[in-house]
Amino acid sequence: DTAVSQTPKYLVTQMGNDKSIKCEQNLGHDTMYWYKQDSKKFLKIMFSYNNKELIINETVPNRFSPKSPDKAHLNLHINSLELGDSAVYFCASSQRGGGGYTFGSGTRLTVV
Amino acid sequence: AQSVTQPDIHITVSEGASLELRCNYSYGATPYLFWYVQSPGQGLQLLLKYFSGDTLVQGIKGFEAEFKRSQSSFNLRKPSVHWSDAAEYFCAVGSVSNDYKLSFGAGTTVTVRA
Repeated sequence: DTAVSQTPKYLVTQMGNDKSIKCEQNLGHDTMYWYKQDSKKFLKIMFSYNNKELIINETVPNRFSPKSPDKAHLNLHINSLELGDSAVYFCASSQRGGGGYTFGSGTRLTVV
Repeated sequence: AQSVTQPDIHITVSEGASLELRCNYSYGATPYLFWYVQSPGQGLQLLLKYFSGDTLVQGIKGFEAEFKRSQSSFNLRKPSVHWSDAAEYFCAVGSVSNDYKLSFGAGTTVTVRA
C-alpha cells in the first residue's frame, strides 16, 4: 500500500504540449509538496499546500499550475512544455511541524 | 535564508569500512535537519532527523548523525558500509519560520567497492 503515489512514472511528450502529473497520499498528512530534481540531482521546491491552501509558491513559471482538490491529492499541470522542463518531479507529504517528508517515487518527464 | 552545503560530491568507500558524509547548514535559529537517501530510479527515503534534544540521532539502516551547533554541521555516519548503501545522500534543513520548507543540499554520491 503505497504511502505517496505519483502517476505516471514516466512521461515523454513533445514541446508545446500540456501534461498533468497526479499525486495521492494515504498517510493522513495535511501538507503536500512538489519538488523538481534536475539533471544534476539538485532538488528545488516548487509548491506546497496545507489543507488545500497554497502556502509556498516558489519562483516557478506560470505554465506550472498546482491543484489540490483535497488534502490527500496534489496535482501538477504544465502548459506549453519546454525542453528545460525535462526533470524528475517528486511529490511529497508531511504533517506540518511533525517531521520530515514522505516522498513519492517520482515522475520522469522528458520533453522532446 | 536557510541553505545546506554538502562539500563532498562523490565518496568511494570499501565494503565494511566506515562512512562519514558532511553537511553544513546556514540558518539563524535552531533548524530542523534531515538526511535522505535516494537509490537509483527511486524516491527519497528519510534516514533520520533532528528537531531538538540529544544531538546524536540514530536512524534506519544503521546510520547516525550528530548535530554540532558550534560548527553548523550535521554529519552522517555509518560504522560499516554494505554494498546496498551505494546511493545518493541528501542533507536538508527546514524551519518553523519558513513554513517547514525543506532546502536540500546538492547531494553526495556514495560508491561502495567490493
